[in-house]
Amino acid sequence: DIQLTQSPSSLSASVGDRVIITCRTSQSVTIHLNWYQQRPGKAPNLLIFGASTLQNGVPSRFIGGGSGTDFTLTISSLQPEDFATYYCQQSYSTPTFGGGTKVEIK
Amino acid sequence: EVQLVESGGGLVQPGGSLRLSCVASGFTFSAYSMSWVRQAPGKEPECVSFMSSSGNSIDYPDSVKGRFTISRDIAKNSLYLQMNSLRAEDTAVYYCVRGHSGSSTWDYWGQGTLVTVSS
Repeated sequence: DIQLTQSPSSLSASVGDRVIITCRTSQSVTIHLNWYQQRPGKAPNLLIFGASTLQNGVPSRFIGGGSGTDFTLTISSLQPEDFATYYCQQSYSTPTFGGGTKVEIK
Repeated sequence: EVQLVESGGGLVQPGGSLRLSCVASGFTFSAYSMSWVRQAPGKEPECVSFMSSSGNSIDYPDSVKGRFTISRDIAKNSLYLQMNSLRAEDTAVYYCVRGHSGSSTWDYWGQGTLVTVSS
């Protein structure tokens, strides 16, 4: 199975900050990399698929980038509702998730 | 509006069985791949079964292969997960999820049903 390593595992940030989360895969997944947001007690919510395509209804402050083995999720200006855990997931082969990045309020 | 509603979770003893159900609405059920994804407390999600839109392609990870069976009833717009020989490590919230464009990119999730395996 393809392993996904997210960094950092957690971060503290303020409203308005620019936040960058990285995801590295153990082998190339081309652009078959997705990002999800999960708030406490809720199901994950698809933010970005195909590495950089924004899912319908997701604010444009969420930006995905990368290809091959290195990917990023950028939140250009953190909003109060963005404090959550973020997961990357590859859909290139048997699907697997990264360990998650918890974004907390500073 | 797309909706996925799971049921069937609960407390079961190790070695026991449980059948989860998911009723789908708001889309053409037979046109989409469907999966079950579970999430143990404090852990990342894990896909435990996949069924293609045709129903001809089914897959499981090694962790549940031979113990879990995915099925569907198109007439009832329903997806099922039969879980046998349950273990403590199967304890998790189980989500019914819809595949985006036939892939394992999941664009709609149910609210989840909790399965607890404990004596």
